[in-house]
Amino acid sequence: GEDVEQSLFLSVREGDSSVINCTYTDSSSTYLYWYKQEPGAGLQLLTYIFSNMDMKQDQRLTVLLNKKDKHLSLRIADTQTGDSAIYFCAEGSGGSYIPTFGRGTSLIVHP
Amino acid sequence: GAVVSQHPSRVICKSGTSVKIECRSLDFQATTMFWYRQFPKQSLMLMATSNEGSKATYEQGVEKDKFLINHASLTLSTLTVTSAHPEDSSFYICSATGQGAREAFFGQGTRLTV
Repeated sequence: GEDVEQSLFLSVREGDSSVINCTYTDSSSTYLYWYKQEPGAGLQLLTYIFSNMDMKQDQRLTVLLNKKDKHLSLRIADTQTGDSAIYFCAEGSGGSYIPTFGRGTSLIVHP
Repeated sequence: GAVVSQHPSRVICKSGTSVKIECRSLDFQATTMFWYRQFPKQSLMLMATSNEGSKATYEQGVEKDKFLINHASLTLSTLTVTSAHPEDSSFYICSATGQGAREAFFGQGTRLTV
């Protein structure tokens, strides 16, 4: 199977919270990342978490890491239409930055 | 954050011609650059990793003679798709990282249509 797995689609109503989930297989992962890709554009790093952390919060974004289960989630509070995009989970390990990406979750926010 | 500029954003070429895509780090020295290809169903595939001044390291299954990568300076890497064919049509994205960095910055992507 794939090294990093994500569901492909998530649909939420504007104002609700969105939770995007990701699982990975590499137990030596040091950093775990969330990227956002808007249509026709490159990737924008949203946030990242070190493997020795359980949670990281940045304004509307909350990242939860369950290292035992190799599960990472991104929660977006008060989701807005501008949050509609593809969200990529990625994991990196070792001394250099070569992340492995999931297939991306397409978040659709409707009124 | 740091800025990576990718050019062109969109290119249409005839089958059999070659296309060059540039990736520039505008405000930092990019010791390592990455080239990705994004398929229609979203997945991002790493094609190659290049370090300034040395030959690129290609991922398994990526033809190095087909996809020529040059990283001649700390601010510029190029990807040349040689003798392009319709199956090479895709969205190509570069990213760059500096010495010891734990994050990379992505270009805007190039939509290639052959």
